[in-house]
This record gives sequence, C-alpha cells and structure tokens, in this order.
Amino acid sequence: GGIITQTPKFLIGQEGQKLTLKCQQNFNHDTMYWYRQDSGKGLRLIYYSITENDLQKGDLSEGYDASREKKSSFSLTVTSAQKNEMAVFLCASSPTGGSNTEVFFGKGTRLTVV
Amino acid sequence: AQSVTQPDARVTVSEGASLQLRCKYSYSATPYLFWYVQYPRQGLQLLLKYYSGDPVVQGVNGFEAEFSKSNSSFHLRKASVHWSDSAVYFCAVSMPYAQGLTFGLGTRVSVFP
Repeated sequence: GGIITQTPKFLIGQEGQKLTLKCQQNFNHDTMYWYRQDSGKGLRLIYYSITENDLQKGDLSEGYDASREKKSSFSLTVTSAQKNEMAVFLCASSPTGGSNTEVFFGKGTRLTVV
Repeated sequence: AQSVTQPDARVTVSEGASLQLRCKYSYSATPYLFWYVQYPRQGLQLLLKYYSGDPVVQGVNGFEAEFSKSNSSFHLRKASVHWSDSAVYFCAVSMPYAQGLTFGLGTRVSVFP
C-alpha cells in the first residue's frame, strides 16, 4: 500500500496572498490530481499531471498554478487568495491516466482566507 | 450537458435499516462508474466500481451497487447500516480516454441508533 501526504493540513491566509499547498505520494503513481471541495458543490478538478513536468488544466484552473517537479510530488499554488474563501483541497493519484483506474486521495488541506 | 446527479443531499436512517443512495448520470456513452465514501476529516475512499459485465457489483463493508443502462443510474445500497456508515457518499464517473473523475455533489448519510 501507499499513502498520499498533504501539507499543511490547515492553511490560513490573507486576502491577496499567494499560498502553496504540497502533496507527496509513495504509490509510484504516474498521474496526480488536485481537486477543490466546497460545501454543497462536490469536488471539482483544478489541475492534473500525467507524468513529471506535465500539467493539464481541469475545469477550475483559473486562479491556480501547479507544479510537478518530480513523480512523487505535485504542488498547487493559489495565486491570489479570495477573502472569506473556505474550501478543502484534495490531492489524488492513480497508477496511470486511464479512466478505469482507481484514484487514491489524500486527507486534504483546509484553506481559510481572512 | 454531461453531469452526475445525486438527488438526495442528506439521508437519515436508523441503525440496522437498509440504505439506498441514488446516482444518475448524463453522458453520451456509458462511463466508468464509482462510489466513494468520505468519513469526517478524511480523504475519499473507494467503495466499489463498475466497468462492464454483471450490473450488480459488490464493494467493501457490505455495500453493493446496481448499474442500469436504461435508467442511466448507478444506485448504491446496503442491507443493514451501522452507525459507522455515517459519512458523505460520492458517485463519480470517468469517460474512456478522459482524465480524472467527475463527481456528484454527494449525499450525507446520518445513521442513528
């Protein structure tokens, strides 16, 4: 088995601040994802990466940057935090980019913007 | 538009009772189908998945789901729930040659003794 570790678990930022969330996986999976979870809105895909140094935009990429420096890590940057924003960011990975493979999730980073 | 619909935002059920959670999808082709569960302050965990074949699939912890092509549905059920089944349940789909999962809004299940 493996694990996906997201840091930090809780993140409090100020309006306009650039914030970075980090994710590490030891599954040796090729594909990694960032999802945003809002209450009442389910999960929405922000970015994904099918291999090291690859980046693909999801449905919610505006306002975010991502970086896949190596196979095991995938970071997400909120380029300018929005006041009163509250959401959980979930990192995930899967063995390949194939659509029928299981996706494994981390426990999330909870963002609050004051 | 392609979508995944979970019509029930919240479900309350007594311990020992049966549970059914509904999921309908709207896609031009049959997608791959998944049910995930999220316990408080946890990530999502896979309960079961359907790709093809027998429309009834078995998952973990006594859960099963039934695929219906004619109804474009993939409903989850459990014969007898336990208080530990209290969680949020997400239906998700992925399309062949596409990346990532598309999720429904989730159903929050509360099990009372």
